[in-house]
Amino acid sequence: KQEVTQIPAALSVPEGENLVLNCSFTDSAIYNLQWFRQDPGKGLTSLLLIQSSQREQTSGRLNASLDKSSGRSTLYIAASQPGDSATYLCAVNSGGGADGLTFGKGTHLIIQP
Amino acid sequence: ETGVTQSPTHLIKTRGQQVTLRCSSQSGHNTVSWYQQALGQGPQFIFQYYREEENGRGNFPPRFSGLQFPNYSSELNVNALELDDSALYLCASSSSRTGGTDTQYFGPGTRLTVL
Repeated sequence: KQEVTQIPAALSVPEGENLVLNCSFTDSAIYNLQWFRQDPGKGLTSLLLIQSSQREQTSGRLNASLDKSSGRSTLYIAASQPGDSATYLCAVNSGGGADGLTFGKGTHLIIQP
Repeated sequence: ETGVTQSPTHLIKTRGQQVTLRCSSQSGHNTVSWYQQALGQGPQFIFQYYREEENGRGNFPPRFSGLQFPNYSSELNVNALELDDSALYLCASSSSRTGGTDTQYFGPGTRLTVL
């Protein structure tokens, strides 16, 4: 059974800092890995999707990497801004409709102005 | 905006009642999945529908059931509500059967409270 762990559970940093969020998963047989952002009480916004054959994806100030063999992914946020404050969720797709996406519990990020 | 909408936004029910939640997927997306997110937890997969048939299910009892319609809308039905069913219910759509290579787009969710 796939399990996803996110570290740290919470993080508070001053505005302008670069930061890294970590995600690990137990079964390396995945189709892809997706990073989401969730604002309080809201739905999920997709940030980046990395296919199993890819090593990284970039979008603006965000960069996500994937090391499938070691079961790890990182989300790098450059030059953080107060608007980046949210919960960041990592989810893996292990393939097949029977599994859906398996999510971690998320990292609650606060960027201090 | 993902193009995925859900209704209602909030709902309060009593234990033992039944509830129907609705989702409208993006046009052209023939796969819809439903998730339950308890407070402080990541979303948990309930089930997935592809072209109006259930093709995957998570660890949820049969009182959680669903329907998908040809117009890209879908429903999640929960019978005999329990207090632990209180959660944010999210639907997600994608254009592939397994969502294998495609991004899944989530709606804003329905907050269900069971008293």
